Amino acid sequence: EAGVAQSPRYKIIEKRQSVAFWCNPISGHATLYWYQQILGQGPKLLIQFQNNGVVDDSQLPKDRFSAERLKGVDSTLKIQPAKLEDSAVYLCASRLGQMNTEAFFGQGTRLTVV
Amino acid sequence: DQQVKQNSPSLSVQEGRISILNCDYTNSMFDYFLWYKKYPAEGPTFLISISSIKDKNEDGRFTVFLNKSAKHLSLHIVPSQPGDSAVYFCAASSPQAGNMLTFGGGTRLMVKP
Repeated sequence: EAGVAQSPRYKIIEKRQSVAFWCNPISGHATLYWYQQILGQGPKLLIQFQNNGVVDDSQLPKDRFSAERLKGVDSTLKIQPAKLEDSAVYLCASRLGQMNTEAFFGQGTRLTVV
Repeated sequence: DQQVKQNSPSLSVQEGRISILNCDYTNSMFDYFLWYKKYPAEGPTFLISISSIKDKNEDGRFTVFLNKSAKHLSLHIVPSQPGDSAVYFCAASSPQAGNMLTFGGGTRLMVKP
């Protein structure tokens, strides 16, 4: 079974530039998450999708971050404009259902904002 | 408001001995708990989970214990192996919060040969 695919693996941009990350979840997984992991901290949820609908985006900085999940499969996360504090690993995860199952993570995209 | 806490940032254990990683939570509505392991430059990988209706779940060398009254869970690794060296995250979810996973800050485990 193919895992969660993310691209790119690494990205370096200057502050105020924009960047986009892509995620392809495991086939059939209805739930998709984007997490931000700052060095030395645990993953922090940015947004949760159920199929193509948003379940929770309360921690997404909506003035600069946006995410979509077209057709309930692939998802993109965008940052525009980026700030220095956005430097982190962005993790995508998918889950078969919502309840009492594990989530599977991709390898993440390491973003460095200079 | 950190709902899931791992108070030990690091733990060092000798190979063959037991590793005990701890996790505390504050939200009594959490009903499902998971442990993930993370190697550098990789995403977290699922290790073991436990539902709130149980107090213990075992899978090979890994056992998770849940103490609901104390809002505490622990991961035991016996015997510890050098390949277990990684960062371990506990996570919790509740139906009331859309079953999103809330993570602790992680504990770095180092198993010495």
